[in-house]
Amino acid sequence: KNEVEQSPQNLTAQEGEFITINCSYSVGISALHWLQQHPGGGIVSLFMLSSGKKKHGRLIATINIQEKHSSLHITASHPRDSAVYICAVRHTGNQFYFGTGTSLTVIP
Amino acid sequence: GAVVSQHPSRVICKSGTSVKIECRSLDFQATTMFWYRQFPKQSLMLMATSNEGSKATYEQGVEKDKFLINHASLTLSTLTVTSAHPEDSSFYICSARDRGVYNEQFFGPGTRLTVL
Repeated sequence: KNEVEQSPQNLTAQEGEFITINCSYSVGISALHWLQQHPGGGIVSLFMLSSGKKKHGRLIATINIQEKHSSLHITASHPRDSAVYICAVRHTGNQFYFGTGTSLTVIP
Repeated sequence: GAVVSQHPSRVICKSGTSVKIECRSLDFQATTMFWYRQFPKQSLMLMATSNEGSKATYEQGVEKDKFLINHASLTLSTLTVTSAHPEDSSFYICSARDRGVYNEQFFGPGTRLTVL
């Protein structure tokens, strides 16, 4: 069993839809990252969370430490949001664990 | 927020040549840098951890003579893939840990290596 599980693995949405990607983890963590990986591979760090909620533009990330769960929400989705979204957690022992990613396709 | 850059973003080389990839922390000092490798449709896998001024610690199964890591300054780490072969073709990502203001780890954009 992976330390980090993401769902769904693949997601197709119509432009404008509200999107949620979930991440559950099984280890104690000091921080959780949401990464965006574009076709071609380039990685962008979207959020780093240790508690609560963060918002940046149309993106919102939440984390519930007690339930060991985080969600990434995209409001008013757009085709340029199409990418792979990766959840990564920093274990309290400083090691990173990565989810296998959620591949999002937003159709115009 | 903190920024980590990688150079080059893409490189194509012939089999048998060596390729150097640079990882820089642009606005913070990184005492520790990490190198990851990602195969298609798979998650990132840690290759090695490097601390400034000391030898890198390699994960099990990673050949240290194949993947040379140098962390000579607080803002620069390099990964050299020596005598590259087609099976070394992959996406290589670095990250850097800031122990100052941010006290967290930030990821570089990655380098796509293709060995012909």
